[in-house]
Amino acid sequence: GQNIDQPTEMTATEGAIVQINCTYQTSGFNGLFWYQQHAGEAPTFLSYNVLDGLEEKGRFSSFLSRSKGYSYLLLKELQMKDSASYLCAPVKEDSWGKLQFGAGTQVVVTP
Amino acid sequence: DAMVIQNPRYQVTQFGKPVTLSCSQTLNHNVMYWYQQKSSQAPKLLFHYYDKDFNNEADTPDNFQSRRPNTSFCFLDIRSPGLGDAAMYLCATSSGGQDSSYEQYFGPGTRLTVT
Repeated sequence: GQNIDQPTEMTATEGAIVQINCTYQTSGFNGLFWYQQHAGEAPTFLSYNVLDGLEEKGRFSSFLSRSKGYSYLLLKELQMKDSASYLCAPVKEDSWGKLQFGAGTQVVVTP
Repeated sequence: DAMVIQNPRYQVTQFGKPVTLSCSQTLNHNVMYWYQQKSSQAPKLLFHYYDKDFNNEADTPDNFQSRRPNTSFCFLDIRSPGLGDAAMYLCATSSGGQDSSYEQYFGPGTRLTVT
């Protein structure tokens, strides 16, 4: 199975940096997604890591260590619109892309 | 240029009255998923189709059924909704890795209320 652990909530001020950690245990692994979800809306794609290392995309970066079962999402220059839930989702190997979502980290950005 | 469409966006049904939620896609993806998401919880996969192959999650109640008549459409049937079935229902699609991508594209969701 896949056990996914990420913090429930994080608070930061506008312009700051926040790092959301995610640890996972899986019997088969084929990469890891991060999705953003605003309240009452559908999840939207942020990043996908399949190899170890850091992927940077504008203000958002995502890191993966397969050997450690660990990923993080880094949000820089926080804006009020970044207040949302961030979902960590490993892809199960040989499952046609079946995702197992973590419970999500609610990020609250304050002025 | 909507890619994954769900109708209706809001659905109210009575306790025990069957209800059907619909999803359509213009991406020609092989895989379609149905998730249930309750407030402040992660999306929970109910089942998915790879083409016409149906895959049910072990803990999905029998009350939930699905149909996929063609590549573009997929339906979620709730035979006898209970109060505990009130949730957001999300449809998603992916190519299942065929183009080296496992990204799932989500529809806007249908919020189901059971009275």
